[in-house]
Amino acid sequence: AQKVTQAQTEISVVEKEDVTLDCVYETRDTTYYLFWYKQPPSGELVFLIRRNSFDEQNEISGRYSWNFQKSTSSFNFTITASQVVDSAVYFCALRGTGFGNEKLTFGTGTRLTIIP
Amino acid sequence: DTGVSQDPRHKITKRGQNVTFRCDPISEHNRLYWYRQTLGQGPEFLTYFQNEAQLEKSRLLSDRFSAERPKGSFSTLEIQRTEQGDSAMYLCASSFGGEKLFFGSGTQLSVL
Repeated sequence: AQKVTQAQTEISVVEKEDVTLDCVYETRDTTYYLFWYKQPPSGELVFLIRRNSFDEQNEISGRYSWNFQKSTSSFNFTITASQVVDSAVYFCALRGTGFGNEKLTFGTGTRLTIIP
Repeated sequence: DTGVSQDPRHKITKRGQNVTFRCDPISEHNRLYWYRQTLGQGPEFLTYFQNEAQLEKSRLLSDRFSAERPKGSFSTLEIQRTEQGDSAMYLCASSFGGEKLFFGSGTQLSVL
């Protein structure tokens, strides 16, 4: 069975601070994908990143960066110089690879509030 | 690319009534997914189509739930004899090849 744990239920930071959202996962699959999605108040989940389990390189996209550590089964997400528009619920998700493995298993999400 | 469209945005119904939701995916996407999200939780997978074929159904999907995707285009999700526990946000997503899912804004169902 697959499981994604986001232990931080809510985080509040002052604008321009850096913030890291934690994600820990469990899976028996040898290869898998990890994702982060953002859910703003409008409700529509927005794709942020997909990472394949055999690619452990960290990734940076503008103010966003992701740290994948297979040894600790973690895929953490950092926002640098946070902005009010970053306020949203962020979900980490996991999926197996291969044909037929289409189910995304989501964590419970972290609600991030950026205080102006 | 007009995005994934869901209708209605909100539905209020009485317990025992049947409801149907519609999802229009991004036109060139061959895969379509239904998820359910309750307050404070992440989305839970319900079912998935590749073109018109329903390839996977979650155990969460009781026999009161049925989904279709005729001709591999739009999809409908019907809930028969609704129960209060069915109250949730029903999310539809589509993708081409399954790599990146595009989600709609969802249908919020309230069962009174």
